Amino acid sequence: GQQVMQIPQYQHVQEGEDFTTYCNSSTTLSNIQWYKQRPGGHPVFLIQLVKSGEVKKQKRLTFQFGEAKKNSSLHITATQTTDVGTYFCIHGSGNTGKLIFGQGTTLQVKP
Amino acid sequence: DSGVTQTPKHLITATGQRVTLRCSPRSGDLSVYWYQQSLDQGLQFLIQYYNGEERAKGNILERFSAQQFPDLHSELNLSSLELGDSALYFCASSPTGLAAYEQYFGPGTRLTVT
Repeated sequence: GQQVMQIPQYQHVQEGEDFTTYCNSSTTLSNIQWYKQRPGGHPVFLIQLVKSGEVKKQKRLTFQFGEAKKNSSLHITATQTTDVGTYFCIHGSGNTGKLIFGQGTTLQVKP
Repeated sequence: DSGVTQTPKHLITATGQRVTLRCSPRSGDLSVYWYQQSLDQGLQFLIQYYNGEERAKGNILERFSAQQFPDLHSELNLSSLELGDSALYFCASSPTGLAAYEQYFGPGTRLTVT
């Protein structure tokens, strides 16, 4: 069945360094959503991408959807300790209604 | 605060028992999703209800069942509990039945099976 692979699983960075997590699929995705979950918290919606080649920015966060709509990335510029948490992508299949999750990338930021 | 409420916050029970988790969606949201999050398996989609009817099913065990009531709150029933069922259970709500729509997550119920 359809799968979304997310890498890396873990990332430790020094505060101020950049961070990127990637979601990849072997099939075309109609959409991709990104969520953040802080330690001990619940997932919080960040953004949704639906168009080929789409790029959206939220302050230091940049979200991209690939031209072929088979991959997506989340890039954080100059990480801060408040960026700590797990970032994961979700694809919602309009046909089946099923939700397909990336495994998540847990970000640790050293002050 | 997402506007989604879940009760109870914590639940400790013994193997073989049955528990019910409750979720109230955001005002106006028609869809409720249930998820299980364990340390070794990440976030797993269990089931979705839309306006009282089952809409999509994920990796939900036969020992688990859910329903959505006319007032749109939802309950997740877990029976014949096993140690491996210990996890954080989230519900999320969404205005539509479309899978490709942002979801608002509740604070979760932490279930410990001893």
